[in-house]
Amino acid sequence: DAGITQSPRYKITETGRQVTLMCHQTWSHSYMFWYRQDLGHGLRLIYYSAAADITDKGEVPDGYVVSRSKTENFPLTLESATRSQTSVYFCASSEKRARSNYGYTFGSGTRLTVV
Amino acid sequence: AQSVAQPEDQVNVAEGNPLTVKCTYSVSGNPYLFWYVQYPNRGLQFLLKYITGDNLVKGSYGFEAEFNKSQTSFHLKKPSALVSDSALFFCAVRDPGGRDNYGQNFVFGPGTRLSVLP
Repeated sequence: DAGITQSPRYKITETGRQVTLMCHQTWSHSYMFWYRQDLGHGLRLIYYSAAADITDKGEVPDGYVVSRSKTENFPLTLESATRSQTSVYFCASSEKRARSNYGYTFGSGTRLTVV
Repeated sequence: AQSVAQPEDQVNVAEGNPLTVKCTYSVSGNPYLFWYVQYPNRGLQFLLKYITGDNLVKGSYGFEAEFNKSQTSFHLKKPSALVSDSALFFCAVRDPGGRDNYGQNFVFGPGTRLSVLP
């Protein structure tokens, strides 16, 4: 997972609190993604970003906010955490190429528990 | 829109035996296909990919996958399983010609947990 780091690795927060998960990549990849991983659902896309200042919703964006002021950072914020947002969150990045055949590179994940 | 199915939630195999983890896909055009592996408490790691060419693709850790266009499958295989192969495996597909709203995003299957028993 060298080159893409997530922090914190583990987080416990209370219902209603705001919490931000950080993602930082050092490859200058254009695309960045946030997924959540839940038993029975596999990976579900929350938000993605095609470049700095360009973000778009994925499959499950409700309750989340993202920003991308710099290419290397893509923080994910839970504005008012709920227990249903207890999950493992993965950040990923990829190069930007027309018809790119490159895969994604994933961070090590953040395990978030909302109590 | 593209989709991926992994029909088995769990695959158990004895060490030394061959293993297969199944994946079928649906895309409108020619697919880009990928396998990722997730070891406990780790992120997903790229294992191998099929873009074009030889239908048998070799990847990391002795894994290989066979692309079968007529069956729309991309099954992951290994001739002799190791206990250390125990992990969660994800198949993913991207339609390079697709015009969905997700840009370069992949569609991931739900994952298959492989347990190799000593």
